[in-house]
Amino acid sequence: ETGVTQTPRHLVMGMTNKKSLKCEQHLGHNAMYWYKQSAKKPLELMFVYSLEERVENNSVPSRFSPECPNSSHLFLHLHTLQPEDSALYLCASSQYGYDSSVDSGANVLTFGAGSRLTVL
Amino acid sequence: AQKVTQAQTEISVVEKEDVTLDCVYETRDTTYYLFWYKQPPSGELVFLIRRNSFDEQNEISGRYSWNFQKSTSSFNFTITASQVVDSAVYFCALSGTGGGNKLTFGTGTQLKVEL
Repeated sequence: ETGVTQTPRHLVMGMTNKKSLKCEQHLGHNAMYWYKQSAKKPLELMFVYSLEERVENNSVPSRFSPECPNSSHLFLHLHTLQPEDSALYLCASSQYGYDSSVDSGANVLTFGAGSRLTVL
Repeated sequence: AQKVTQAQTEISVVEKEDVTLDCVYETRDTTYYLFWYKQPPSGELVFLIRRNSFDEQNEISGRYSWNFQKSTSSFNFTITASQVVDSAVYFCALSGTGGGNKLTFGTGTQLKVEL
């Protein structure tokens, strides 16, 4: 497989469930991202991992817990979610991370197809 | 703070029409990058173009063209002779330079191209 792969594509869970979203990139990239996409809103950056180290946590509630075991895999662990957490969760990767010696503003992101989450 | 405004929520055109998607941005950075991404129904955002703030030359790639005007803080995207496969949500985005810079997205424009 190539590119960025996300599983599952669709997930329905109750507010008391625990589930995980998985993202895998086959591009040899150094940074991985979680974004939340809700209707009528700009994409919201949730977390950034650069060289497997979390470098950005955008005031995300603790019911969302990221994990990056290696540079190719990224997880988003979900527990006790709320209905307003229903959204499309997009994973992305970029060649360069958040290294201050690299112009990360120029980073081009490669996105996965997303995991559509519905919280009942 | 950075901000990207895509005032057009939804545009519908008939195939072969030309269509322009507007993007207006705000930033205090003197150097920055502008992007366009396409999100087809399958979900993944696909990178279309990146432009450095010092490069104001317009760019053409096939049926796609981009008009960057620093004086009006706009980075508009035109599709010539639209096709049904162009139907998607298009996002304009902005980032500053240096380490740790976040990409700020607009709310997107839904383009529907009909036969």
